[in-house]
Amino acid sequence: GNSVTQMEGPVTLSEEAFLTINCTYTATGYPSLFWYVQYPGEGLQLLLKATKADDKGSNKGFEATYRKETTSFHLEKGSVQVSDSAVYFCALSDREGNNRLAFGKGNQVVVIP
Amino acid sequence: DAGVIQSPRHEVTEMGQEVTLRCKPISGHDYLFWYRQTMMRGLELLIYFNNNVPIDDSGMPEDRFSAKMPNASFSTLKIQPSEPRDSAVYFCASSLAGVAYNEQFFGPGTRLTVL
Repeated sequence: GNSVTQMEGPVTLSEEAFLTINCTYTATGYPSLFWYVQYPGEGLQLLLKATKADDKGSNKGFEATYRKETTSFHLEKGSVQVSDSAVYFCALSDREGNNRLAFGKGNQVVVIP
Repeated sequence: DAGVIQSPRHEVTEMGQEVTLRCKPISGHDYLFWYRQTMMRGLELLIYFNNNVPIDDSGMPEDRFSAKMPNASFSTLKIQPSEPRDSAVYFCASSLAGVAYNEQFFGPGTRLTVL
């Protein structure tokens, strides 16, 4: 079935550093891809999305490009802030009409002032 | 519009007690999902409904867990009897069919502690 793999372990970096979180997927067909963010004490919320190959999703300075050839959807931000400290989840839809999403395990990002 | 509403936000109970978690999806949404989040297992899908009908409950850990959706605006997740290993944050999410990218909207979660 459809699945998502995120890089292992938390990510700790200094303010204004460059952030990359890797995400690769396995899917049949042409899924939509998402990044969700979970701030401390809150539920997940959609950060950005891409619905077809070569699409770039962007929001709040974050970007991710749907790469079909490498089955990847890596999240990047050029200059992180302390307020970006959160857990980031990669996800994909299975497009079988059931609105179901497959989530990765999530990556804790800690930005130090 | 109000988002997904969950209650209670925090629940502390003793082992063996019945626990009921509640969810009100976004008005007009026809899919509802229950998730559980723990440090060890991450985010797990427990069950989901379409038009109030359970579609897939294969993620429900055992018979102690049950979920209902009596109408389009309300769902419950019940644990009876509760055990310490059920301690987790439980999320409800809803979405709208027919939207190509299937975005799910999450509630704030219920943090359950079973002593």
